[in-house]
Amino acid sequence: SYELTQPPSVSVSPGQTARITCSGDALPKKYAYWYQQKSGQAPVLVIYEDSKRPSGIPERFSGSSSGTMATLTISGAQVEDEADYYCYSTDSSGNHKVFGGGTKLTVL
Amino acid sequence: QVQLVQSGAEVKKPGASVKVSCKASGYTFTSYDINWVRQATGQGLEWMGWMNPNSGNTGYAQKFQGRVTMTRNTSISTAYMELSSLRSEDTAVYYCARAYCSGGSCYPGYWGQGTLVTVSS
Repeated sequence: SYELTQPPSVSVSPGQTARITCSGDALPKKYAYWYQQKSGQAPVLVIYEDSKRPSGIPERFSGSSSGTMATLTISGAQVEDEADYYCYSTDSSGNHKVFGGGTKLTVL
Repeated sequence: QVQLVQSGAEVKKPGASVKVSCKASGYTFTSYDINWVRQATGQGLEWMGWMNPNSGNTGYAQKFQGRVTMTRNTSISTAYMELSSLRSEDTAVYYCARAYCSGGSCYPGYWGQGTLVTVSS
């Protein structure tokens, strides 16, 4: 079955840039999406279609994709950005969706 | 506004089945796919499958094939996810999530509040 691979954890100091990667064989042809999940809450979309930001999401969140890797970048990370982040995409057929394993972002 | 309200927490014994409901409001129920996603305590998100409420067509993750059934009742704008042959590893929060579609691509955009299913003898 198709898999998306993320690093388990990323740690930065406040104001630094955090980068979270997501690798998958179908990413050259399929969009990546990024969700933020804070403890006890439902996920919230922060990036869609590789690099688009939904309304209400701060400009410090950005996304990119190149080859088999998608990247979520948080420029000037804030303490309130501490959360788990998940990438989401589909396999090459488009019928089967998958989440990455998640990355715990620590900002301190 | 779009709302998805799920049924309450469940406690089941191993081997039993559970059926979680997801009542939609604020939009035309048959116009958008419903996805089901689960999350075990302290673990990541796991996509289980999708259902088209208009046609009833479904697609399930390979891991759940043969154990999961997704259905709907369009008259009450409600989607259901039934998981059978429960085992302790199925203890998790189960979410329904309505697709949000933009530019030809769709993704889980609106989420229910989650339903905790506990499997314990």
